[in-house]
Amino acid sequence: KNQVEQSPQSLIILEGKNCTLQCNYTVSPFSNLRWYKQDTGRGPVSLTIMTFSENTKSNGRYTATLDADTKQSSLHITASQLSDSASYICVVSAVGEYGNKLVFGAGTILRVKS
Amino acid sequence: GAVVSQHPSWVICKSGTSVKIECRSLDFQATTMFWYRQFPKQSLMLMATSNEGSKATYEQGVEKDKFLINHASLTLSTLTVTSAHPEDSSFYICSARDRGEARYEQYFGPGTRLTVT
Repeated sequence: KNQVEQSPQSLIILEGKNCTLQCNYTVSPFSNLRWYKQDTGRGPVSLTIMTFSENTKSNGRYTATLDADTKQSSLHITASQLSDSASYICVVSAVGEYGNKLVFGAGTILRVKS
Repeated sequence: GAVVSQHPSWVICKSGTSVKIECRSLDFQATTMFWYRQFPKQSLMLMATSNEGSKATYEQGVEKDKFLINHASLTLSTLTVTSAHPEDSSFYICSARDRGEARYEQYFGPGTRLTVT
């Protein structure tokens, strides 16, 4: 069964600190893995997308890693800001006959406080 | 980047009435659009896949007669919640796949908050 598990479920950090969010998946056949940021009451916004051959990708203060062998990914946020408070969703795309299908993790709720 | 809009952004309706939500791809053509539902503190759940010019494909457990989907053009899909009940109150999000891009890219709309009283 295709599944995506994220940890921790929630996290509180002080402004300026770094943090790392984890994602483990059992999705096959694998197409790509993406991280989204979802602010409360808004749609998800793409942060990074990685294919099988990529093991790291950065977008500003966000750096995602992918280990396709162990089926693990992480999202590292550097020098956190109050505006980073949001839900971070790991999404793995599975190859499908009629196009790829997305498998969503439950998300990690991050709260950055001053 | 590709932009997907939704209208309305929020709606309150009375139990038993129907509500239509629009999803538009503003600067690209989308042969496929997806409708998701999200309950508080939960992740997105795919409701249906909508292909332009054909019938939508619904996920298991989603009533097709209750959630009517129309994808009449390459830039517009609509979701109509018929005979809405309070348990239909949720955050509805659409996404669109750009026909001109690799098969794996989807762009999400900002969501529509539906409250049924």
